[in-house]
Amino acid sequence: GDSVTQMEGPVTLSEEAFLTINCTYTATGYPSLFWYVQYPGEGLQLLLKATKADDKGSNKGFEATYRKETTSFHLEKGSVQVSDSAVYFCAFDTGTASKLTFGTGTRLQVTL
Amino acid sequence: EPEVTQTPSHQVTQMGQEVILRCVPISNHLYFYWYRQILGQKVEFLVSFYNNEISEKSEIFDDQFSVERPDGSNFTLKIRSTKLEDSAMYFCASMLRGTGELFFGEGSRLTVL
Repeated sequence: GDSVTQMEGPVTLSEEAFLTINCTYTATGYPSLFWYVQYPGEGLQLLLKATKADDKGSNKGFEATYRKETTSFHLEKGSVQVSDSAVYFCAFDTGTASKLTFGTGTRLQVTL
Repeated sequence: EPEVTQTPSHQVTQMGQEVILRCVPISNHLYFYWYRQILGQKVEFLVSFYNNEISEKSEIFDDQFSVERPDGSNFTLKIRSTKLEDSAMYFCASMLRGTGELFFGEGSRLTVL
């Protein structure tokens, strides 16, 4: 069935380190792909998205490229900040009224 | 900035009791959702609601669950007779038609004892 697999956390990095959070999906059809972020005490917020193969979503220095051949949508940031500490969720939508299938989330902790 | 608000933030209840979780979606949004996340597990879709009716529901959303939009602003999730395995964080979300972007609330944590 449809599913999302994310790397397990927590991920602990020093400020200015490079971040990669892996995400792969199993879905029928041509899903849209998303990264959502949840900061402490807040709801999930859309971070970035990509709607077709080879699209790159980007926001706040984060990027992810829709790789259809590897069914992946890995999240990257070149230099993380303490304020990036949050839980990151990979998700996809097969177009059924935006019903999202989520991964388990990856907690990122950035230290000084 | 408009936001989705949920109440209560945390509710503790006894097994078998009824629980109502409340959500106020963003005012001009047309699609409404409930998701849940059991601790350490994935965020799971429960139900979507559009035009005053359920448009899709998951296998989790059995007869013990119901949703309602009683007054044009609130969107509620009712669990008729709670079970231990209903303990989870419940997220409400809404979407403006056509955007594909869901806006989530902060979640309501339900603990069933």
